[in-house]
Amino acid sequence: GQNIDQPTEMTATEGAIVQINCTYQTSGFNGLFWYQQHAGEAPTFLSYNVLDGLEEKGRFSSFLSRSKGYSYLLLKELQMKDSASYLCAVVDSNYQLIWGAGTKLIIKP
Amino acid sequence: GAVVSQHPSWVICKSGTSVKIECRSLDFQATTMFWYRQFPKQSLMLMATSNEGSKATYEQGVEKDKFLINHASLTLSTLTVTSAHPEDSSFYICSASRTSGDYNEQFFGPGTRLTVL
Repeated sequence: GQNIDQPTEMTATEGAIVQINCTYQTSGFNGLFWYQQHAGEAPTFLSYNVLDGLEEKGRFSSFLSRSKGYSYLLLKELQMKDSASYLCAVVDSNYQLIWGAGTKLIIKP
Repeated sequence: GAVVSQHPSWVICKSGTSVKIECRSLDFQATTMFWYRQFPKQSLMLMATSNEGSKATYEQGVEKDKFLINHASLTLSTLTVTSAHPEDSSFYICSASRTSGDYNEQFFGPGTRLTVL
């Protein structure tokens, strides 16, 4: 079966750095997305990785290792507004999006 | 960036009635539109994939006669929940896909919260 694993919840301090991990087992791989979702709102696109390595975009970076079936989202200089759920989604061989359950990130002052 | 709108933002209806939700890509033509449902504290669940001018492809377990999808143009898709029941109460989100470089990027609508009494 297809499976995406993320931690259910994480807590971090304002100004700090946090890494949210995602491991996946899917039938084929055509890329991995990270989305941010605030409560009651639709998800917002953060990043897309299809090749191994680190992609940096401002305070957010995303890393992919296809051989390990592993990705992480790195958030630096955390702000209170970063409190949200972070969803990892993998595009499988049929170009379907397989979603993780999301990681709820709580930022404390 | 690309903008996707949904209408209405929220709707309350009586059990047995039908509800139509519109999804529009405002500043780009979407090759494909997706409809998702999200129950509280759960991840997004894909309901169906819709390509303009053709029948939607429904995910396993989604009743195509209950959730009618019409993709009339490259900028508009509609989801009609027919004979809605309380268990259909959920957050319905659409997304529109656009080819960007080597991959298809999805842009999400703001979602429609449906409450069936």
